[in-house]
Amino acid sequence: AQSVAQPEDQVNVAEGNPLTVKCTYSVSGNPYLFWYVQYPNRGLQFLLKYITGDNLVKGSYGFEAEFNKSQTSFHLKKPSALVSDSALYFCAVRDINAGKSTFGDGTTLTVKP
Amino acid sequence: DADVTQTPRNRITKTGKRIMLECSQTKGHDRMYWYRQDPGLGLRLIYYSFDVKDINKGEISDGYSVSRQAQAKFSLSLESAIPNQTALYFCATSDSGYHGYTFGSGTRLTVV
Repeated sequence: AQSVAQPEDQVNVAEGNPLTVKCTYSVSGNPYLFWYVQYPNRGLQFLLKYITGDNLVKGSYGFEAEFNKSQTSFHLKKPSALVSDSALYFCAVRDINAGKSTFGDGTTLTVKP
Repeated sequence: DADVTQTPRNRITKTGKRIMLECSQTKGHDRMYWYRQDPGLGLRLIYYSFDVKDINKGEISDGYSVSRQAQAKFSLSLESAIPNQTALYFCATSDSGYHGYTFGSGTRLTVV
């Protein structure tokens, strides 16, 4: 069975500093990995994905994620955080054969001015 | 108009009542999903459907049922609501490729 772990419930950073939101995964085959963001009172929005190819993938709003197969990680990063990045972030892994995704428990990112 | 529309947005119901949450989409996606979000527990899959004739249970399907009335419509029912079904419910859609899900705005359900 596939699983995703987000080891930090909360991440706090100062505006302008780099941010990292961590994610590790467990799958039996090739990993198909996703990051989503949820703003207050909104549904989840797709940020970026890793399917194959370059280990560094770029997504919306200046976010990027680094895939590391040996560490089974897919950490979300941004070089310079904005207050507007404050939100709940979810990592997910998709079982392509079964067609469904498993989500982590989420990490609340707070960016302070 | 939103690509994935959920109704109602908020609902308060009493224990034992039957309630239906509705989802419709204009994405043209074949696959539709119902997830439940609880604080600290992330999103858990309730049911999913790959076409009108295909319905599959997720990890927490007990106490729920679904109906795929058309490619664009997927409804979730609580036959006899109980307080621990109080949660935020999300409908999502996807194609059969490698794209991310498209989510609705959610239905906040409170069972009293």
